[in-house]
Amino acid sequence: DQQVKQNSPSLSVQEGRISILNCDYTNSMFDYFLWYKKYPAEGPTFLISISSIKDKNEDGRFTVFLNKSAKHLSLHIVPSQPGDSAVYFCAVSYSGAGSYQLTFGKGTKLSVIP
Amino acid sequence: EAGVTQFPSHSVIEKGQTVTLRCDPISGHDNLYWYRRVMGKEIKFLLHFVKESKQDESGMPNNRFLAERTGGTYSTLKVQPAELEDSGVYFCASSLRLATATQYFGPGTRLLVL
Repeated sequence: DQQVKQNSPSLSVQEGRISILNCDYTNSMFDYFLWYKKYPAEGPTFLISISSIKDKNEDGRFTVFLNKSAKHLSLHIVPSQPGDSAVYFCAVSYSGAGSYQLTFGKGTKLSVIP
Repeated sequence: EAGVTQFPSHSVIEKGQTVTLRCDPISGHDNLYWYRRVMGKEIKFLLHFVKESKQDESGMPNNRFLAERTGGTYSTLKVQPAELEDSGVYFCASSLRLATATQYFGPGTRLLVL
């Protein structure tokens, strides 16, 4: 039973436009949310995170939005660049468990077209 | 500062053989995690060390997998005997000892069991 869902396996966006990647989770106890970017043959690279006490966090071209009532988070990349082409993973954790293990979605492959 | 390193980068073994994977976390990171991605599936948690102690090993698939972290520094993950379904990419991650600490991933070890 998947607790984190990224329903779009792939997304194509024109360079300079906005990329929006979506993620849904099922358990309202999750309280820390992260986005990772992954290039082929490399490990996931941390991009941006947000805790459940916030609804928005920005870092340069990357903004993560959290909608707790809908159990939904999204990553906005503006403007999109060809170097952003990668697989993006949404990950969630629950601090109360003491383990902080991350639960990942299956990823969305973003292609930014020059 | 050096990132998380993993050795070997690739391993091809025959069913029934033993393989040992090594992970060196970022210096000063008490938390060390092992994850695995089987082809076509999401990245899944295996276990979590805090220093040399196993905090959570709920993701370990069976007793053919043995993880150690002697002295609270590097960690090893041994698979004995390896089965075909153990093939995949094994990632190690480390973080500071905080509930919302970001986990930083290594490049992974690609294991193929023939």
